[in-house]
Amino acid sequence: AAGVIQSPRHLIKEKRETATLKCYPIPRHDTVYWYQQGPGQDPQFLISFYEKMQSDKGSIPDRFSAQQFSDYHSELNMSSLELGDSALYFCASSPRQGRAGHEQFFGPGTRLTVL
Amino acid sequence: AQSVTQLDSHVSVSEGTPVLLRCNYSSSYSPSLFWYVQHPNKGLQLLLKYTSAATLVKGINGFEAEFKKSETSFHLTKPSAHMSDAAEYFCVVSEEAAGNKLTFGGGTRVLVKP
Repeated sequence: AAGVIQSPRHLIKEKRETATLKCYPIPRHDTVYWYQQGPGQDPQFLISFYEKMQSDKGSIPDRFSAQQFSDYHSELNMSSLELGDSALYFCASSPRQGRAGHEQFFGPGTRLTVL
Repeated sequence: AQSVTQLDSHVSVSEGTPVLLRCNYSSSYSPSLFWYVQHPNKGLQLLLKYTSAATLVKGINGFEAEFKKSETSFHLTKPSAHMSDAAEYFCVVSEEAAGNKLTFGGGTRVLVKP
């Protein structure tokens, strides 16, 4: 079965650089969520999209932005990178955001290291 | 507002013995509850979920959890631990009113001794 695809899997950047993370949801899933997991931390919700519109926002820095495209893939853009942005970034997708209890299917994550 | 507390940050068990991971939640509405597992350097895999149906939920790999509303708990159990169960386990809550975003507990790291 098709899973959530994230690219790249690993990314190394310098401080103040920019990074773009991509997420391809499971086919026919219209909702995408982004989470950030710092070292030794639990995942924290960043932002979500439903049918290409932002549906919710969590603890996402103003330096970050994201969007969902017409083919439902999503990109997380991160600018002016800081050392503290080093983390594992997960994308998750689910069908029909409006229905409660739908599980979120997670991608393998992108490990971002900021030097 | 929703929140999750996992009562043990680390649990150590011997192979073949029972596993108990404790989780308490707080939710303003009818929550959905999940347990996810994360093996080292891997993504998150769903073990099981509760969505207002049967209170005893069976998941993959022999895990099960019981939803107890009166205790606001959703503890995860397995009768016999296997070496492959060594991983980090997250109890997770979501609410439709909160856009179904997941709120994670702090995680419980399980060590299985031979």
